[in-house]
Amino acid sequence: AQSVTQLGSHVSVSEGALVLLRCNYSSSVPPYLFWYVQYPNQGLQLLLKYTSAATLVKGINGFEAEFKKSETSFHLTKPSAHMSDAAEYFCAVSWSWGNTPLVFGKGTRLSVIA
Amino acid sequence: DAGITQSPRHKVTETGTPVTLRCHQTENHRYMYWYRQDPGHGLRLIHYSYGVKDTDKGEVSDGYSVSRSKTEDFLLTLESATSSQTSVYFCAISASELEADGYTFGSGTRLTVV
Repeated sequence: AQSVTQLGSHVSVSEGALVLLRCNYSSSVPPYLFWYVQYPNQGLQLLLKYTSAATLVKGINGFEAEFKKSETSFHLTKPSAHMSDAAEYFCAVSWSWGNTPLVFGKGTRLSVIA
Repeated sequence: DAGITQSPRHKVTETGTPVTLRCHQTENHRYMYWYRQDPGHGLRLIHYSYGVKDTDKGEVSDGYSVSRSKTEDFLLTLESATSSQTSVYFCAISASELEADGYTFGSGTRLTVV
């Protein structure tokens, strides 16, 4: 079965430091890739998505992600962390056209230290 | 931006009782999904629907059933609730079968089975 792996269930960074959240998927077939963010007691909201256009994708709140087919990765980055970035982040993948639900990673909780 | 609402938001129920969670959308989207979120597991797909009366099972469908008698409502029923079904349940909607658009999530239902 196809799978999504997020390395690190919890990442802690200092305010102003680089944020790097890792996501790898199990197939070399170019998929659709997404990052979602979940703030406490809320649903998930879309941060950004890759759909076979530019490999570097820019999202909301200063986040971006780069699709690397050779590494089957879609890591999420932000140059300078802000306290408001503290949340849980989910990588999700869809492998085919039509009627194939997204598969989510287990999530990475980001803590930002003042 | 409540195009999708879940009810109830919180529920406590006893083991062995049936429970129905409701997802209501005002977007006229074709696709609807039920996920459960548990610590260390991320989001796992329970059931999904690709049209009125058209549903399919997901990864963790045992003990759950769904119904979709009209476009706007997708009901999730726990036939006989167990403590292992204590979780946060999220509904999601999608307009496109291409999956490239991603999903819009509801705010979740926190269910506790005692």
